[in-house]
Amino acid sequence: GQNIDQPTEMTATEGAIVQINCTYQTSGFNGLFWYQQHAGEAPTFLSYNVLDGLEEKGRFSSFLSRSKGYSYLLLKELQMKDSASYLCAVRPRGNTPLVFGKGTRLSVIA
Amino acid sequence: GAVVSQHPSRVICKSGTSVKIECRSLDFQATTMFWYRQFPKQSLMLMATSNEGSKATYEQGVEKDKFLINHASLTLSTLTVTSAHPEDSSFYICSAREGRGGNYGYTFGSGTRLTVV
Repeated sequence: GQNIDQPTEMTATEGAIVQINCTYQTSGFNGLFWYQQHAGEAPTFLSYNVLDGLEEKGRFSSFLSRSKGYSYLLLKELQMKDSASYLCAVRPRGNTPLVFGKGTRLSVIA
Repeated sequence: GAVVSQHPSRVICKSGTSVKIECRSLDFQATTMFWYRQFPKQSLMLMATSNEGSKATYEQGVEKDKFLINHASLTLSTLTVTSAHPEDSSFYICSAREGRGGNYGYTFGSGTRLTVV
């Protein structure tokens, strides 16, 4: 079966750093994706990890540990516009659909 | 980068009527398209996988006679919600993947908000 867990909601202060965790158990692993989704809009791609380690892209970084079935998304210097849902998704095999977690709703407060 | 155009963005229809949603890959050939549905405050749920020129593969619990998928060309896939009911009201999103694969290649359409009244 496929199971992806991430916290339902998080709140953080503008300018701070927040880490959103994701654990997964899937039948196969061929990459983990993080997407940002604002209410009423489609998801937009943030990051992709297939090897262990940290991928940094500006204010956003994503980490993967395949042996632990664990990933996190790190957001630095939070801005109000970062308030959104963050979706963790795993691709079990090559040309297969992504399996999504339920998403983490992040609220950035002043 | 790859772009997927999805239309309409919003549609309101009467109960019992049918609605067609289109997804077009604008600058790449999408051999595979995925159709998702998302209810408020929930994550994306895969409905079906469509491959160009063949029948779609539906996820368990999704009625293939109600949600008709056609992927007649490498750049166009359509989802038709037939005999729509209020419980079909949802956010429908398509996702296309380039045939050549690669580490990326999952591009989402902008979504369609369907309201059945």
